[in-house]
Amino acid sequence: GAVVSQHPSWVICKSGTSVKIECRSLDFQATTMFWYRQFPKQSLMLMATSNEGSKATYEQGVEKDKFLINHASLTLSTLTVTSAHPEDSSFYICSARDWGAGGELFFGEGSRLTVL
Amino acid sequence: QKEVEQNSGPLSVPEGAIASLNCTYSDRVSQSFFWYRQYSGKSPELIMSIYSNGDKEDGRFTAQLNKASQYVSLLIRDSQPSDSATYLCAALWNFNKFYFGSGTKLNVKP
Repeated sequence: GAVVSQHPSWVICKSGTSVKIECRSLDFQATTMFWYRQFPKQSLMLMATSNEGSKATYEQGVEKDKFLINHASLTLSTLTVTSAHPEDSSFYICSARDWGAGGELFFGEGSRLTVL
Repeated sequence: QKEVEQNSGPLSVPEGAIASLNCTYSDRVSQSFFWYRQYSGKSPELIMSIYSNGDKEDGRFTAQLNKASQYVSLLIRDSQPSDSATYLCAALWNFNKFYFGSGTKLNVKP
């Protein structure tokens, strides 16, 4: 399947700081990427759809000023958690559709954020 | 968000048995469905997709879709301990949004 790479895998930060997570499609171009959040023993919750060259589309209840998304190129999207607080601690996973593989959705490895 | 529902389990089956995982969805607009496997602490990995009514087989896995009943299932034949994981059902909505069920935890006992 297609390869989506996410970095960093683990990050620990202090409350009030900002954290940036990168998501790259390694062997295909992705005009759209998706950011999910998963709390322990819960399902994936779609946070936002990242669009190359334009603004991201956020799901209801997701603060766009807190979760900044930039889709700078056809292979890179970034999620920045601004002024992080302990309740932002979660597993953040990016994904992208590979239209060369029938449009199926492939996930990055995930980034586990712990805010102290 | 559109609803995709799964029994959280855990579903326990002995090694070599058939595991049957079920999923229902609420939105008739959804036309494409996917099964993912997620090991603890890892991100989901795609098992298979299904778009048409009926069965689709891939190795030990068979996906079944019944659009009239808004029901999709995954059968795992000859279950192995390595199949123990959480299985997520996903529905594609509006051609570009994937919504996930809460997942069913499968335990395959040696």
